[in-house]
Amino acid sequence: DIVMTQSPDSLAVSLGERATINCKSSQSVLYSSNNKNYLSWYQQKPGQPPKLLIYWASTRESGVPDRFSGSGSGTDFTLTINSLQAEDVAVYYCQQYYSTRITFGGGTKVEIK
Amino acid sequence: EVQLVESGGGLVKPGGSLRLSCVASGFTFSNTWMNWVRQAPGKGLEWLGRIKSKTDGGTTDYAAPVKGRFTISRDDSKNTLYLQMNSLKIEDTAVYYCTTGSSGRSWGQGTLVTVSS
Repeated sequence: DIVMTQSPDSLAVSLGERATINCKSSQSVLYSSNNKNYLSWYQQKPGQPPKLLIYWASTRESGVPDRFSGSGSGTDFTLTINSLQAEDVAVYYCQQYYSTRITFGGGTKVEIK
Repeated sequence: EVQLVESGGGLVKPGGSLRLSCVASGFTFSNTWMNWVRQAPGKGLEWLGRIKSKTDGGTTDYAAPVKGRFTISRDDSKNTLYLQMNSLKIEDTAVYYCTTGSSGRSWGQGTLVTVSS
């Protein structure tokens, strides 16, 4: 199975500042035939199911604020939250869907400093 | 609007069985690959398995921890996804979610399964 490793486990960021979350896969999730990275990012707030933020590593889901952006390719990916808002406090997960068996990263908890 | 509503969770003894359901609406269920994902209390997300649409073969794939114990099926006439769970273990205690597609676009609210004696 592809192992997804997120870092850091948690981070505290001041309101209005930038939060950066990293995700590394144990093998490439870039499908060469269509040049797409099979990587999603989710946000999960307490007591709620996860919400899809980003797919294909960098495509923002409809309705997601543009302060959320995804980047990276192959094995290294980043979720950036620009100008952190109070409502962005949550746990964020990456997920690969390149392989038949989907796998998630361990999650990164984002808090307000 | 896409809606996924899971049900069937509850308290079950180790070694017991349970069947979860996920009723879908707001999209063409029969054309959609569906997944089950769980989250143990205070832990991260764990993909359990998926079922393809019948037009794509209707086949299933499972994560190693549940292969041979859990079975995913679908009834497209009822827009319903199922998860049959057998030989349940204490470590299967979790909230179980159904989700759509490989990228996980939509999630239900989840149903809690507690395995305890």
